[in-house]
Amino acid sequence: DQQVKQNSPSLSVQEGRISILNCDYTNSMFDYFLWYKKYPAEGPTFLISISSIKDKNEDGRFTVFLNKSAKHLSLHIVPSQPGDSAVYFCAAKPSNYGQNFVFGPGTRLSVLP
Amino acid sequence: GAVVSQHPSRVICKSGTSVKIECRSLDFQATTMFWYRQFPKKSLMLMATSNEGSKATYEQGVEKDKFLINHASLTLSTLTVTSAHPEDSSFYICSAREYSGRGNEQFFGPGTRLTVL
Repeated sequence: DQQVKQNSPSLSVQEGRISILNCDYTNSMFDYFLWYKKYPAEGPTFLISISSIKDKNEDGRFTVFLNKSAKHLSLHIVPSQPGDSAVYFCAAKPSNYGQNFVFGPGTRLSVLP
Repeated sequence: GAVVSQHPSRVICKSGTSVKIECRSLDFQATTMFWYRQFPKKSLMLMATSNEGSKATYEQGVEKDKFLINHASLTLSTLTVTSAHPEDSSFYICSAREYSGRGNEQFFGPGTRLTVL
């Protein structure tokens, strides 16, 4: 059973508009979440994180929102740029330091010029 | 952020040979390193977790005798794919977590593309 879900395998957005990537999780023990960005043939790069004590974290063009009651988080990119075209992975883990992150299947974002 | 390197970035080998992939944390000490595998258009699949100085913990379905992991120091972990076969062709990515200070973040290497002929 997939504990972290990204139900949209792909998303296309016009340059300058907002990109919204969604992630849902099932394990109520998860309380720390990350978003990674991955280009083809490269390792993932960390984008932004959020812990369960917050419902929003912002870093430049990237904002992550967390809705604990709905077990849902989203990544907003605004304005979207062609260089943002990549696969975005949502990852979650419980607070226990020894536990590993569980990754979602990823959403491929294409930002069209 | 912290830097994790992998070597080689790409390797092509014949079926039956063994291939070693190195993962290094360049500016921090990684008490825990992770090895992932990614198939085309699929998510990252955790293969194993290794803590410095101890045996790796393998995920279900991953053959420990085929994928040998050594984490001999706080900055180096190696993955050896033994007797590689074409189905082992994949993109292997390592990740490292620092002992303290960086909290829950994991830093990823650039990946190694393995092609077994």
